[in-house]
Amino acid sequence: ETGVTQTPRHLVMGMTNKKSLKCEQHLGHNAMYWYKQSAKKPLELMFVYNFKEQTENNSVPSRFSPECPNSSHLFLHLHTLQPEDSALYLCASSQGRPSSYNSPLHFGNGTRLTVT
Amino acid sequence: AQKITQTQPGMFVQEKEAVTLDCTYDTSDQSYGLFWYKQPSSGEMIFLIYQGSYDEQNATEGRYSLNFQKARKSANLVISASQLGDSAMYFCAMRVARDMRFGAGTRLTVKP
Repeated sequence: ETGVTQTPRHLVMGMTNKKSLKCEQHLGHNAMYWYKQSAKKPLELMFVYNFKEQTENNSVPSRFSPECPNSSHLFLHLHTLQPEDSALYLCASSQGRPSSYNSPLHFGNGTRLTVT
Repeated sequence: AQKITQTQPGMFVQEKEAVTLDCTYDTSDQSYGLFWYKQPSSGEMIFLIYQGSYDEQNATEGRYSLNFQKARKSANLVISASQLGDSAMYFCAMRVARDMRFGAGTRLTVKP
C-alpha cells in the first residue's frame, strides 16, 4: 500500500452533480489536509483535520464539505460546483501535534477535477 | 501570518550543472520548519528536504542541499549535477504547528 491514496484520479462532473473525493493514509498520521491547486496559483489550504477534529477551514465555500470519520480517511463532498472549481485537489497527512513542525506532509497523487 | 515567497517563476539549467532556487519566508514564530517539494508533470508532490528553525547546519539530502540563512529569512534549494529528470515544479513551504503554507513555485527546466 502506498502512503496516501486518493480516488478517483480524474473526475468530470456537471454543475448540478454531487460527487465525493476520497483519501486514505497508511502512515499512522493523525492530521489530514485538503489542498486545492489551480493553474498558475499557489497551493491553497482548504481544510485541516487533527484526530478527526476540524482545526482549520480556510474560508472555503460551503459547496465543499469535508468529512473525516477517522484519522485514516478523509473525504471531500462536492455539490453544485462552478467551472472555476476545476483544479487538482491534493490530500496530505502528517503528524499533527503543534510541536510537529518538523514533520513533512505526505501527499497523495491528487484528483484532477473538471467541472463542466 | 506566515508568508512564503518564490520570486523565480521559471529557471533553466544545463544538464550536470548546479542550480539555486530562491525562497524567502516571513513568520513571527520561533519554531518552524522549512520544506522543499518537487512536483513533476504527473502531479504528485514529492518531499525533498527539511530544515528546522533551530538547526544550525544546512540540511543535505543527496544532490539536494538547503542554504538556510535565518537572519535573512531565506531557505534556498541547491540542486547539484542537474539531471533531465529534475525538470519539474519546485515548491518551498513553511510549517508552523499543523499549518503548512506553500510558495507559488518555480518551474525548473534542465536542458540537455
